[in-house]
Amino acid sequence: DAGVIQSPRHEVTEMGQEVTLRCKPISGHDYLFWYRQTMMRGLELLIYFNNNVPIDDSGMPEDRFSAKMPNASFSTLKIQPSEPRDSAVYFCASSYGTGGEQYFGPGTRLTVT
Amino acid sequence: DAKTTQPNSMESNEEEPVHLPCNHSTISGTDYIHWYRQLPSQGPEYVIHGLTSNVNNRMASLAIAEDRKSSTLILHRATLRDAAVYYCILRGNSGNTPLVFGKGTRLSVIA
Repeated sequence: DAGVIQSPRHEVTEMGQEVTLRCKPISGHDYLFWYRQTMMRGLELLIYFNNNVPIDDSGMPEDRFSAKMPNASFSTLKIQPSEPRDSAVYFCASSYGTGGEQYFGPGTRLTVT
Repeated sequence: DAKTTQPNSMESNEEEPVHLPCNHSTISGTDYIHWYRQLPSQGPEYVIHGLTSNVNNRMASLAIAEDRKSSTLILHRATLRDAAVYYCILRGNSGNTPLVFGKGTRLSVIA
């Protein structure tokens, strides 16, 4: 398996623009997590899914952020409109079953100017 | 989630053993102790986990205190590729809970 795949790897956009981050989890995994990493706040959970259903989105900063998982092999994290404070590295991770180890993707580095 | 405390940074010489400590005095009886590490410019990766007994795998060993209030990640022979931030994380055993990351320990390895 190629591991968790994220695209794009880097994204530079202007304030106010819509940004869509994509994630393909490892085949067969039933959990998918979106995390964000900044220097100030470290690594923090945004949202996670089990069997394509959102379980906990309490980490999503505000209504500008939305995440979907239309099927078991694809998830998106959308920011609309983007703001400079959204600049961060966004990681997607997937895992299988109860207490399974999480496999992280390489991340998407987002810069909003 | 119960809190963990780790030193901000540690330094090791190459090919020497490294002991990375973690304190978790408020750990509950069902919390597992997980360790992840994050190499520069990469996503975190799983290292090892345990409940009560010491654990070994190809990457490292995990020594858990008898009262479970502390644990130590042991890298038997540090290499330059082990330079990373190491996170000690407690996870309950119900479902597949998200990871709650602290600041971790930044390990530097000197050649």
